[in-house]
Amino acid sequence: DTEVTQTPKHLVMGMTNKKSLKCEQHMGHRAMYWYKQKAKKPPELMFVYSYEKLSINESVPSRFSPECPNSSLLNLHLHALQPEDSALYLCASSHSDRGEKLFFGSGTQLSVL
Amino acid sequence: EDQVTQSPEALRLQEGESSSLNCSYTVSGLRGLFWYRQDPGKGPEFLFTLYSAGEEKEKERLKATLTKKESFLHITAPKPEDSATYLCAVQARYSTLTFGKGTMLLVSP
Repeated sequence: DTEVTQTPKHLVMGMTNKKSLKCEQHMGHRAMYWYKQKAKKPPELMFVYSYEKLSINESVPSRFSPECPNSSLLNLHLHALQPEDSALYLCASSHSDRGEKLFFGSGTQLSVL
Repeated sequence: EDQVTQSPEALRLQEGESSSLNCSYTVSGLRGLFWYRQDPGKGPEFLFTLYSAGEEKEKERLKATLTKKESFLHITAPKPEDSATYLCAVQARYSTLTFGKGTMLLVSP
Protein backbone atom coordinates (compact mmCIF):
# COMPACT_ATOMS: atom_id res chain seq x y z
CA ASP A 1 0.00 0.00 0.00
CA THR A 2 1.75 3.12 -1.24
CA GLU A 3 -1.14 5.53 -0.91
CA VAL A 4 -1.83 8.66 1.00
CA THR A 5 -5.58 9.09 1.34
CA GLN A 6 -7.16 12.50 1.82
CA THR A 7 -10.76 13.33 2.63
CA PRO A 8 -12.84 15.08 1.57
CA LYS A 9 -11.83 15.60 -2.07
CA HIS A 10 -13.80 18.83 -2.28
CA LEU A 11 -14.96 21.22 0.45
CA VAL A 12 -16.95 24.43 0.30
CA MET A 13 -17.19 26.40 3.51
CA GLY A 14 -18.26 29.78 4.73
CA MET A 15 -15.98 32.12 6.63
CA THR A 16 -17.68 31.29 9.94
CA ASN A 17 -17.57 27.52 9.54
CA LYS A 18 -15.33 25.02 11.26
CA LYS A 19 -14.21 22.05 9.20
CA SER A 20 -11.41 19.48 9.20
CA LEU A 21 -9.29 17.89 6.50
CA LYS A 22 -8.12 14.35 7.07
CA CYS A 23 -5.10 12.42 5.82
CA GLU A 24 -4.13 8.79 6.33
CA GLN A 25 -1.14 6.67 5.33
CA HIS A 26 -0.27 3.07 6.12
CA MET A 27 3.29 2.94 4.80
CA GLY A 28 4.89 3.22 8.22
CA HIS A 29 6.16 6.69 7.39
CA ARG A 30 7.16 8.79 10.38
CA ALA A 31 6.97 12.23 8.76
CA MET A 32 3.78 13.83 7.52
CA TYR A 33 3.26 17.18 5.87
CA TRP A 34 0.59 19.71 4.93
CA TYR A 35 1.09 21.78 1.81
CA LYS A 36 -1.06 24.51 0.28
CA GLN A 37 -1.13 24.97 -3.49
CA LYS A 38 -2.74 27.81 -5.41
CA ALA A 39 -3.53 27.42 -9.10
CA LYS A 40 -0.46 27.40 -11.34
CA LYS A 41 1.86 27.74 -8.34
CA PRO A 42 4.15 25.21 -6.64
CA PRO A 43 3.15 23.60 -3.34
CA GLU A 44 3.93 25.71 -0.26
CA LEU A 45 4.89 23.96 2.94
CA MET A 46 2.64 24.65 5.92
CA PHE A 47 3.46 22.09 8.62
CA VAL A 48 5.71 19.09 9.21
CA TYR A 49 5.13 16.40 11.79
CA SER A 50 8.01 14.11 12.66
CA TYR A 51 7.32 11.14 14.92
CA GLU A 52 3.93 12.68 15.72
CA LYS A 53 5.43 15.93 16.95
CA LEU A 54 5.13 19.25 15.15
CA SER A 55 8.62 20.02 13.89
CA ILE A 56 7.99 22.81 11.39
CA ASN A 57 5.32 25.51 11.27
CA GLU A 58 5.95 27.85 8.36
CA SER A 59 4.36 30.88 10.06
CA VAL A 60 0.89 29.68 9.16
CA PRO A 61 -2.05 31.75 10.52
CA SER A 62 -3.72 30.30 13.60
CA ARG A 63 -6.96 29.75 11.69
CA PHE A 64 -5.18 26.59 10.46
CA SER A 65 -4.59 24.11 13.27
CA PRO A 66 -2.81 20.81 12.58
CA GLU A 67 -3.18 17.66 14.63
CA CYS A 68 -1.42 14.30 14.48
CA PRO A 69 -3.44 11.79 16.54
CA ASN A 70 -1.12 8.90 15.67
CA SER A 71 1.61 7.94 13.23
CA SER A 72 -0.88 7.16 10.45
CA LEU A 73 -3.24 10.11 10.72
CA LEU A 74 -2.92 13.82 10.15
CA ASN A 75 -5.68 16.38 10.43
CA LEU A 76 -5.94 20.03 9.54
CA HIS A 77 -8.61 21.93 11.43
CA LEU A 78 -9.99 25.01 9.73
CA HIS A 79 -11.76 27.91 11.41
CA ALA A 80 -12.71 31.41 10.31
CA LEU A 81 -10.99 31.09 6.96
CA GLN A 82 -10.78 33.84 4.40
CA PRO A 83 -11.60 33.61 0.67
CA GLU A 84 -7.88 33.87 -0.11
CA ASP A 85 -7.41 30.55 1.71
CA SER A 86 -9.15 28.81 -1.16
CA ALA A 87 -6.61 26.36 -2.61
CA LEU A 88 -5.68 22.72 -3.04
CA TYR A 89 -4.51 21.33 0.30
CA LEU A 90 -2.08 18.48 -0.04
CA CYS A 91 -0.99 15.95 2.52
CA ALA A 92 2.26 14.07 2.07
CA SER A 93 4.32 11.54 3.94
CA SER A 94 7.89 10.28 3.88
CA HIS A 95 9.93 7.67 5.67
CA SER A 96 11.53 10.38 7.76
CA ASP A 97 11.98 14.14 7.52
CA ARG A 98 15.56 13.72 6.27
CA GLY A 99 15.13 13.85 2.55
CA GLU A 100 13.42 10.76 1.30
CA LYS A 101 10.86 11.22 -1.43
CA LEU A 102 7.44 12.50 -0.51
CA PHE A 103 4.28 10.58 -1.29
CA PHE A 104 1.41 12.99 -1.88
CA GLY A 105 -2.30 12.48 -1.54
CA SER A 106 -4.74 13.67 -4.18
CA GLY A 107 -5.56 16.73 -2.16
CA THR A 108 -8.64 18.53 -0.91
CA GLN A 109 -9.88 21.35 -3.15
CA LEU A 110 -11.11 23.97 -0.69
CA SER A 111 -13.35 26.90 -1.58
CA VAL A 112 -14.05 29.54 1.05
CA LEU A 113 -17.09 31.71 0.33
CA GLU B 1 18.62 30.72 0.24
CA ASP B 2 17.83 27.66 -1.90
CA GLN B 3 16.45 28.51 -5.33
CA VAL B 4 14.93 26.42 -8.11
CA THR B 5 14.16 27.80 -11.57
CA GLN B 6 12.35 25.73 -14.15
CA SER B 7 12.16 26.46 -17.85
CA PRO B 8 10.25 26.77 -20.00
CA GLU B 9 7.11 27.71 -18.05
CA ALA B 10 5.00 26.00 -20.69
CA LEU B 11 5.84 23.68 -23.57
CA ARG B 12 3.63 22.46 -26.36
CA LEU B 13 4.79 19.40 -28.33
CA GLN B 14 3.38 17.26 -31.05
CA GLU B 15 3.06 13.58 -30.29
CA GLY B 16 6.44 11.97 -30.93
CA GLU B 17 8.36 15.24 -30.76
CA SER B 18 11.12 14.76 -28.16
CA SER B 19 12.27 17.62 -25.93
CA SER B 20 13.81 18.49 -22.57
CA LEU B 21 12.71 20.40 -19.49
CA ASN B 22 15.28 22.28 -17.44
CA CYS B 23 15.64 22.75 -13.69
CA SER B 24 18.41 25.08 -12.52
CA TYR B 25 19.18 25.19 -8.83
CA THR B 26 21.33 26.84 -6.21
CA VAL B 27 21.50 25.06 -2.88
CA SER B 28 24.03 24.77 -0.11
CA GLY B 29 24.77 21.08 0.13
CA LEU B 30 22.43 19.19 -2.19
CA ARG B 31 20.88 16.21 -0.49
CA GLY B 32 18.59 15.28 -3.36
CA LEU B 33 16.83 16.59 -6.46
CA PHE B 34 13.32 15.33 -7.11
CA TRP B 35 11.08 15.30 -10.16
CA TYR B 36 7.32 15.06 -9.80
CA ARG B 37 4.46 14.96 -12.27
CA GLN B 38 1.21 16.70 -11.38
CA ASP B 39 -2.13 16.40 -13.17
CA PRO B 40 -4.70 19.19 -12.72
CA GLY B 41 -6.45 19.05 -9.34
CA LYS B 42 -4.30 16.12 -8.18
CA GLY B 43 -1.32 15.71 -5.89
CA PRO B 44 2.20 15.47 -7.31
CA GLU B 45 3.29 11.99 -8.33
CA PHE B 46 6.90 11.05 -7.62
CA LEU B 47 9.04 10.31 -10.67
CA PHE B 48 12.76 10.38 -9.79
CA THR B 49 15.33 11.23 -7.15
CA LEU B 50 18.86 12.20 -8.18
CA TYR B 51 21.60 12.54 -5.60
CA SER B 52 24.88 13.35 -7.33
CA ALA B 53 26.20 14.93 -10.51
CA GLY B 54 26.35 12.49 -13.39
CA GLU B 55 23.49 10.39 -12.14
CA GLU B 56 20.74 9.39 -14.58
CA LYS B 57 17.39 7.70 -14.02
CA GLU B 58 14.91 6.42 -16.62
CA LYS B 59 11.26 5.48 -16.57
CA GLU B 60 9.40 4.69 -19.78
CA ARG B 61 9.70 7.79 -22.01
CA LEU B 62 11.32 9.91 -19.30
CA LYS B 63 14.99 10.28 -18.44
CA ALA B 64 16.33 12.57 -15.74
CA THR B 65 19.93 13.75 -15.54
CA LEU B 66 21.83 15.84 -13.02
CA THR B 67 24.82 18.18 -13.10
CA LYS B 68 26.17 20.40 -10.33
CA LYS B 69 23.94 23.27 -11.41
CA GLU B 70 20.95 21.81 -13.22
CA SER B 71 18.82 18.83 -14.02
CA PHE B 72 17.11 17.90 -17.26
CA LEU B 73 14.01 15.84 -17.78
CA HIS B 74 14.20 14.41 -21.29
CA ILE B 75 10.94 13.24 -22.84
CA THR B 76 11.37 10.88 -25.78
CA ALA B 77 8.54 10.45 -28.27
CA PRO B 78 5.90 11.88 -25.91
CA LYS B 79 2.27 10.83 -25.99
CA PRO B 80 -0.80 12.92 -25.11
CA GLU B 81 -0.99 11.14 -21.73
CA ASP B 82 2.36 12.71 -20.82
CA SER B 83 0.60 16.09 -20.65
CA ALA B 84 0.96 17.39 -17.11
CA THR B 85 2.89 19.88 -15.02
CA TYR B 86 6.37 18.67 -14.16
CA LEU B 87 7.77 19.93 -10.86
CA CYS B 88 11.39 19.95 -9.80
CA ALA B 89 12.36 20.20 -6.13
CA VAL B 90 15.64 20.27 -4.25
CA GLN B 91 16.51 19.42 -0.71
CA ALA B 92 19.52 20.73 1.15
CA ARG B 93 20.87 19.09 4.25
CA TYR B 94 18.57 19.58 7.27
CA SER B 95 16.03 21.35 5.10
CA THR B 96 12.66 20.70 3.54
CA LEU B 97 11.94 20.63 -0.19
CA THR B 98 12.14 23.79 -2.30
CA PHE B 99 9.93 23.49 -5.35
CA GLY B 100 10.27 25.21 -8.69
CA LYS B 101 7.21 26.73 -10.35
CA GLY B 102 6.92 23.84 -12.77
CA THR B 103 6.74 23.33 -16.52
CA MET B 104 3.30 22.79 -17.99
CA LEU B 105 3.61 20.28 -20.82
CA LEU B 106 0.92 19.80 -23.44
CA VAL B 107 1.35 17.02 -25.99
CA SER B 108 -1.02 17.19 -28.95
CA PRO B 109 -2.00 14.12 -30.98
